[in-house]
Amino acid sequence: KAGVTQTPRYLIKTRGQQVTLSCSPISGHRSVSWYQQTPGQGLQFLFEYFSETQRNKGNFPGRFSGRQFSNSRSEMNVSTLELGDSALYLCASSSGTAQETQYFGPGTRLLVL
Amino acid sequence: GNSVTQMEGPVTLSEEAFLTINCTYTATGYPSLFWYVQYPGEGLQLLLKATKADDKGSNKGFEATYRKETTSFHLEKGSVQVSDSAVYFCAPDGGSYIPTFGRGTSLIVHP
Repeated sequence: KAGVTQTPRYLIKTRGQQVTLSCSPISGHRSVSWYQQTPGQGLQFLFEYFSETQRNKGNFPGRFSGRQFSNSRSEMNVSTLELGDSALYLCASSSGTAQETQYFGPGTRLLVL
Repeated sequence: GNSVTQMEGPVTLSEEAFLTINCTYTATGYPSLFWYVQYPGEGLQLLLKATKADDKGSNKGFEATYRKETTSFHLEKGSVQVSDSAVYFCAPDGGSYIPTFGRGTSLIVHP
């Protein structure tokens, strides 16, 4: 089985721009979660989508949004980028059942200048 | 809600040393407990898990025992290798469909 894939792997943007990141889950997985990882804050949960619906949400401003398509692929969008948005963005997929293993992609490294 | 406390890093060891990374948690209900590992430049991957009290998860020489009475899930390895250098995350999952990740503990193993 192919693993979780994320595109692009690296991205450079300037303040005020917007960005869209993509995540393709493992085949058959219906849940996709997104995380922001920074040296200062560690791994922080953004949101989780299951069957095209946002099921869980972390404590991030509304500039961060996401969606999930009928094939379970997910996108995450950040509008009006700030310098502090520079981070590694990780997505993880799972079957969507509680207490199941999360399978992570390699991440998208975003640098905001 | 759920929360997890991991020991601060970095933990620096010589090859073949004994490793312990402490993890304690609070969780509603009866959580499953996970350790994930992140090697440099990669995403996280499951290292081991335990789903009920006194279960011992093990993988690649690493072990952790589900201690319900102390709400702990400490990670241990008897003899670390340079290739074990990575960041380790404790993650209880209390049934909210997503685990709660600790801040991660960086392990550096010197030859």
